[in-house]
Amino acid sequence: NAGVTQTPKFRILKIGQSMTLQCTQDMNHNYMYWYRQDPGMGLKLIYYSVGAGITDKGEVPNGYNVSRSTTEDFPLRLELAAPSQTSVYFCASSYGGVGNQPQHFGDGTRLSIL
Amino acid sequence: DAKTTQPNSMESNEEEPVHLPCNHSTISGTDYIHWYRQLPSQGPEYVIHGLTSNVNNRMASLAIAEDRKSSTLILHRATLRDAAVYYCILRDSANAGGTSYGKLTFGQGTILTVHP
Repeated sequence: NAGVTQTPKFRILKIGQSMTLQCTQDMNHNYMYWYRQDPGMGLKLIYYSVGAGITDKGEVPNGYNVSRSTTEDFPLRLELAAPSQTSVYFCASSYGGVGNQPQHFGDGTRLSIL
Repeated sequence: DAKTTQPNSMESNEEEPVHLPCNHSTISGTDYIHWYRQLPSQGPEYVIHGLTSNVNNRMASLAIAEDRKSSTLILHRATLRDAAVYYCILRDSANAGGTSYGKLTFGQGTILTVHP
């Protein structure tokens, strides 16, 4: 089972560059999420999607954009990278959004902005 | 969002049981209690969840207080592979525009150290 797959695993960007973090899941989950985790901290929600074509902001959306054209894929776009976006990014998915549905996470993308 | 409180760190010896506590005094009636763990350099991993009754699965047991204001994750025989950060989270089925999105709110968690 592949589950949730994130690419790339590591990336170094220069200030002002842009990039897209890829996330794909093979569990036919409707709900997908992007989180970021700063060193020594818990995860914070950036964006989420409840199905293809439907996305919305989480707690820390500034500097990011998302799209959801298929059930499987939920890419995260960084425009004009800033040092404050240095973090580990995790994508997750779940079958539904109700309280008894667990989320399944990818292994993360470690991003450094220099 | 209802908050949870966990100890910053705990230690255990290998093959001994571990009881990880969590307080959630402001839990609402429809909040599920979820536990996730995060091994070094990996994404969070779902462990177990429950609503009112105690729950068991192949990884752990979850004991929920009768008033639901606290819970305990039980690892029956700790192994070195159980060393991780354990997060107790209330699964919020908040509505945004009428659509439930069930975000997870992560706190600091409990760092579990397992000694050989």
